[in-house]
Amino acid sequence: AQSVAQPEDQVNVAEGNPLTVKCTYSVSGNPYLFWYVQYPNRGLQFLLKYITGDNLVKGSYGFEAEFNKSQTSFHLKKPSALVSDSALYFCAVRAPQTGGYNKLIFGAGTRLAVHP
Amino acid sequence: NAGVTQTPKFQVLKTGQSMTLQCAQDMNHNSMYWYRQDPGMGLRLIYYSASEGTTDKGEVPNGYNVSRLNKREFSLRLESAAPSQTSVYFCASSEEGDRGVPGANVLTFGAGSRLTVL
Repeated sequence: AQSVAQPEDQVNVAEGNPLTVKCTYSVSGNPYLFWYVQYPNRGLQFLLKYITGDNLVKGSYGFEAEFNKSQTSFHLKKPSALVSDSALYFCAVRAPQTGGYNKLIFGAGTRLAVHP
Repeated sequence: NAGVTQTPKFQVLKTGQSMTLQCAQDMNHNSMYWYRQDPGMGLRLIYYSASEGTTDKGEVPNGYNVSRLNKREFSLRLESAAPSQTSVYFCASSEEGDRGVPGANVLTFGAGSRLTVL
C-alpha cells in the first residue's frame, strides 16, 4: 500500500537548536516528495520538494530536507529553530497510479513547537 | 494577487441541509482540487479537476459533488450534510496539463472553510 508516515505527533525544540521533523514513505516507482507548512487558521504553504538530483533539497525559510532512498525517508531539517517556525508540518508524496492519475498522499502532520 | 479564495470561512449546518463551498483562483492554473482535513488524518482528496470541463473523484468523494464552472472557479456541494462531513475544507490549484494531476507541480491552497454539521 502507498502511504506516508510522520511518526511524531509533536516535536518540541528550543529556539536556536537544530530541528528535525521525520517522514517516511511507501510508494511504488520513483517518488516525488514534498513538505508543506500550515500556520494557525491558514492554508498549507509549500516549503520544498524533491523530484530528482541532489538528495539534499533546500527550501523556504531556511528549511532543507534529505531524501534517503534506502531508508525511504525525507526528513525536514533546519540548523537553528525560530519561535516563528512553530506550525503544523505535512509531508506528502506523489504516488503513481494506473490510468495516469497520480494521487498526492499527505501524512497526518507533525506539530512543531519551538520554545524561547 | 489573491491566489486561492474560498467562501465561506465558517458554516454551521444541520443534518440534511445542503450547501456549496466556493473556490476561485486568479493564477491561471489548469488544475483545481478539494481536500478535507481531519485531526490525525492529514489531508484527503475529495475531488479534483485536471482542466476546465473535467472532474474526477479522489479518495473520499461520497456525499459530495463538484462543478468546474470555468477555469477560475471550482465549487464543492454537499447535497445532504451529515455529521461525518464536519471538517475543514481546502481548495487548491496547480499548474498542470490536460492530464493534470498533483504531480511534480506545487499546490497553492486557500485559507480553508470550517464546516460543522450538527
